[in-house]
Amino acid sequence: EAGVAQSPRYKIIEKRQSVAFWCNPISGHATLYWYQQILGQGPKLLIQFQNNGVVDDSQLPKDRFSAERLKGVDSTLKIQPAKLEDSAVYLCASSRDSYEQYFGPGTRLTVT
Amino acid sequence: AQSVTQLDSQVPVFEEAPVELRCNYSSSVSVYLFWYVQYPNQGLQLLLKYLSGSTLVESINGFEAEFNKSQTSFHLRKPSVHISDTAEYFCAVSGYGTASKLTFGTGTRLQVTL
Repeated sequence: EAGVAQSPRYKIIEKRQSVAFWCNPISGHATLYWYQQILGQGPKLLIQFQNNGVVDDSQLPKDRFSAERLKGVDSTLKIQPAKLEDSAVYLCASSRDSYEQYFGPGTRLTVT
Repeated sequence: AQSVTQLDSQVPVFEEAPVELRCNYSSSVSVYLFWYVQYPNQGLQLLLKYLSGSTLVESINGFEAEFNKSQTSFHLRKPSVHISDTAEYFCAVSGYGTASKLTFGTGTRLQVTL
């Protein structure tokens, strides 16, 4: 089966600009996650969707980050406006049963 | 809430030597445990997992990990490493339940040299 798809793979923007990332999970996976991985750290969960509903967004900086999962399939994560500290790899993962998560290749964001 | 501590940020080892990557966790509830591997410029891949049953779990490429509840550890081992095992390894924990999120450690960089 096809894996989790993410685009773009790389993005460079200036601070205060906006950016959006896209994720298409594995077909049939109801749960979708967005993680932020800062260099030298482990991934940190930003938001978790179950179908098109939000399960956990407690660590999402809601003043600048937003995410949606229309129709319970693909998802977009947006940052507006970006800050220097948002430079990181943004990973999308999906899961059928929430016990095993499958990760996409990630989007590396550099904010200058 | 759960937390994960990976005691070594980097582990250098010669090819064909044994290796152990240490992982300790903290949780007030029962947990599931995972090891993920991340090769350069790639996403995370699940290496092995402990959900229940036998406390010793194995992967298809020779890694194994043992769940030790009394010591709250889930160390990863391989008796003989290969150059291709060079990667970042992350230990992760989640609580029981379909809505449980993964909490990751900070990772251990395994560097295998000739």
